Parts: sequence; C-alpha cells; structure tokens
Amino acid sequence: GNSVTQMEGPVTLSEEAFLTINCTYTATGYPSLFWYVQYPGEGLQLLLKATKADDKGSNKGFEATYRKETTSFHLEKGSVQVSDSAVYFCALRNNNDMRFGAGTRLTVKP
Amino acid sequence: DAGVIQSPRHEVTEMGQEVTLRCKPISGHNSLFWYRQTMMRGLELLIYFNNNVPIDDSGMPEDRFSAKMPNASFSTLKIQPSEPRDSAVYFCASSRTAKDSPLHFGNGTRLTVT
Repeated sequence: GNSVTQMEGPVTLSEEAFLTINCTYTATGYPSLFWYVQYPGEGLQLLLKATKADDKGSNKGFEATYRKETTSFHLEKGSVQVSDSAVYFCALRNNNDMRFGAGTRLTVKP
Repeated sequence: DAGVIQSPRHEVTEMGQEVTLRCKPISGHNSLFWYRQTMMRGLELLIYFNNNVPIDDSGMPEDRFSAKMPNASFSTLKIQPSEPRDSAVYFCASSRTAKDSPLHFGNGTRLTVT
C-alpha cells in the first residue's frame, strides 16, 4: 500500500539555521510527492512538489528532491526565518490515493 | 481564484444535535476530499469524491457520518447525532484528477461538541 513516514517533531531552531525534515515513503508504481505547510488556524498549503524521480521541487527557499533509490523526499532550507514556524506535512499521491505524514512542528526562535 | 470555501468556520453544538459542514470546491476541480484533523490522530481522510461520485468512504468513522456531493460545486458532511469525540477540525480539499495535481485545502471548520 501507500504510506508516508516523516520525522517526528517538534523541531526548534534558531533563525538562520539549516533545516532538514526527513520524509520516506512506500508506494506501488510512481507517485507524486508533495510538501505542505500549515499555519495556525489555516488549512494546509502546497509548499512544493515533485512528480518523478530526481525531480527537485523548490519554493520560498525550501527544496526537496524525489529520490526513488532511497524512497525519500527530505525537506531542506538553508537559512530559516521566524516566519517559517509552522507544521510541515509530507504527502504522496498515487492516482486518487492521497497520503499524508503525521506532520512536523517547526519553531524558529529569533 | 477564490479557493476552497468552507462554512461555518466554527461550530459549537451539544451532544446529540445534527451538524452539517459545507464545502465549495474550486471551479474545474473534479476531485473532492473530506479530512478530519485532531492532535491525537493527525490528518485522517474520511471520504473522497470523483466527478461527484463517492469513491472511497472507508475512512468514515461510523454510520453517524454521511457525505454528499449533489453537484460539482457543493458538498456536505453531516454528523447525526454528534458526540463529544467528534470534536476536531474538518477540512475540505479539492483537486484535478491527475495524480500530479496537488490538493487545495479550505480553512477548515472547527467543531466543538459539548
């Protein structure tokens, strides 16, 4: 079946620190992979996506590369800001089967 | 693009009452999903529709929950009778059918059952 496992939080970093949130997946076939971000009181928003092996998704300084050999899609950012504090969800879509990880809460301190 | 619109934003009701949550998907999207989010269980898929037809409702907790999509621009999730353990944030999301299409989420309905 399809599933997503992501790094448990919470993660607390100082401003300008490097961020990595690990995500691995299990799927049949060739799913598309996504990272979503959720700010307090809001729904999930798409952050970036990758649709095939070796694709790199990027947005707002965040990046993730679709690694089929390691079934991973780790989220990275070189220098986090206080405004990046939110909950981050890794997700995969295999046709209409959409699976989300448990979410990782990130807090960035000034 | 108005985004996915959910109503109400907040709902407080007493145990045993009927609750109806509403969703208007993005125009042109033919897949619609209902999710429930709690601290304990995270984000759970309740049901999804494709072209207004329910495809998978295996996530619906029990018979007290029902969902309908009478047309491409409207869906409801009903809980009857409601119980305190139904308290959660309920999200509606829509997308195109293509597997590389992301889901677009509404801002959710926060349900509190006392």
